[in-house]
Amino acid sequence: DTGVSQDPRHKITKRGQNVTFRCDPISEHNRLYWYRQTLGQGPEFLTYFQNEAQLEKSRLLSDRFSAERPKGSFSTLEIQRTEQGDSAMYLCASRREGHTGGEQYFGPGTRLTVT
Amino acid sequence: ILNVEQSPQSLHVQEGDSTNFTCSFPSSNFYALHWYRWETAKSPEALFVMTLNGDEKKKGRISATLNTKEGYSYLYIKGSQPEDSATYLCAFSPGNKLVFGAGTILRVKS
Repeated sequence: DTGVSQDPRHKITKRGQNVTFRCDPISEHNRLYWYRQTLGQGPEFLTYFQNEAQLEKSRLLSDRFSAERPKGSFSTLEIQRTEQGDSAMYLCASRREGHTGGEQYFGPGTRLTVT
Repeated sequence: ILNVEQSPQSLHVQEGDSTNFTCSFPSSNFYALHWYRWETAKSPEALFVMTLNGDEKKKGRISATLNTKEGYSYLYIKGSQPEDSATYLCAFSPGNKLVFGAGTILRVKS
């Protein structure tokens, strides 16, 4: 299967710890997106990359959050000094650059629980 | 602020029933409307991407319509099956990102 993969699938951490998640997009996709979903809500946009360039960041992405895509392939999302409000499902998606209505392919997500 | 609304929030139907959901979205700056199905512990799966006013798309027992002028889309499931149980998300695309509604949770009882 050559879909979008995310690691880990689940992460439990204590408040104040740092966590890092990884996303491997579909190989020929040059656009990579991060979304966050909290209980009862739909996924919310966090940031996206075209190749290695981070082109847009949401106001939701506080200073404690940083995302990278160093070689234009996989991406990491790091949360520093986690807070209980960071508990959520973190979804990664990728697509090939083209018309803006293009379908995004999602990974299974990383569920973060901050205790 | 871009707001995407979905109704109903949840739906319980019997196997064989037909059902439909509504998604309303801003009618300005429209590029595309996406429908996804998200089953527990799996990746959200794209059902349809619609771009033109009046678009109608169909995949098996599932179909969708789009009205960009009034800002709504309907998703229809004919003859629901237990395997249709999932959260159905619609997402409005004003450009490069997706703006999602909160989803409709469908449970189909056999």
